[in-house]
Amino acid sequence: SQTIHQWPATLVQPVGSPLSLECTVEGTSNPNLYWYRQAAGRGLQLLFYSVGIGQISSEVPQNLSASRPQDRQFILSSKKLLLSDSGFYLCAWSVRQRGFRDEQFFGPGTRLTVL
Amino acid sequence: SQQGEEDPQALSIQEGENATMNCSYKTSINNLQWYRQNSGRGLVHLILIRSNEREKHSGRLRVTLDTSKKSSSLLITASRAADTASYFCATDIIQGAQKLVFGQGTRLTINP
Repeated sequence: SQTIHQWPATLVQPVGSPLSLECTVEGTSNPNLYWYRQAAGRGLQLLFYSVGIGQISSEVPQNLSASRPQDRQFILSSKKLLLSDSGFYLCAWSVRQRGFRDEQFFGPGTRLTVL
Repeated sequence: SQQGEEDPQALSIQEGENATMNCSYKTSINNLQWYRQNSGRGLVHLILIRSNEREKHSGRLRVTLDTSKKSSSLLITASRAADTASYFCATDIIQGAQKLVFGQGTRLTINP
């Protein structure tokens, strides 16, 4: 069966510090991968998606970047965090051959607080 | 503006009652999905309904889709305290970037 992992679960970082959040998927190959951010009590905002190793599409201009160094690994980074980067970050995957439009499977999320 | 918007934003009912949540969207879609999120957790996929379908059932869940009105509803029958969560609709978009667009969610509270 497929599983998706995210770490860390919670993170408190000072403004201006770097960030690295990691997401890995097990039990599937060639997944589509996604990073979302969720503000408190709000819906999900798609940040990045990837259809393959080294292929990253950015949805919104921001202080963040993403990388996919391996097929089932997706990393969200920042060189210098801003207060506005606080939020709940969710990684998700979907089956490649079904495209983007079908069911997505979400990780447990990372709660980031920037102080 | 949001592609998908849920209504109401919050709903509180007694255990055993039915809960109905609505979702409206703006552009043509291939499918519409409903997800559930327990507080502080990831989202869990509940049901997907394609644009050529009008109604779909899964256990106590019933989803309808009206493409002429660009709206969908999620009905949870015989609600339980464990159904307390936020519910999100997500739509894909036929044109443009291939992605799901999530609404702001309905916060459902089931009172025992």
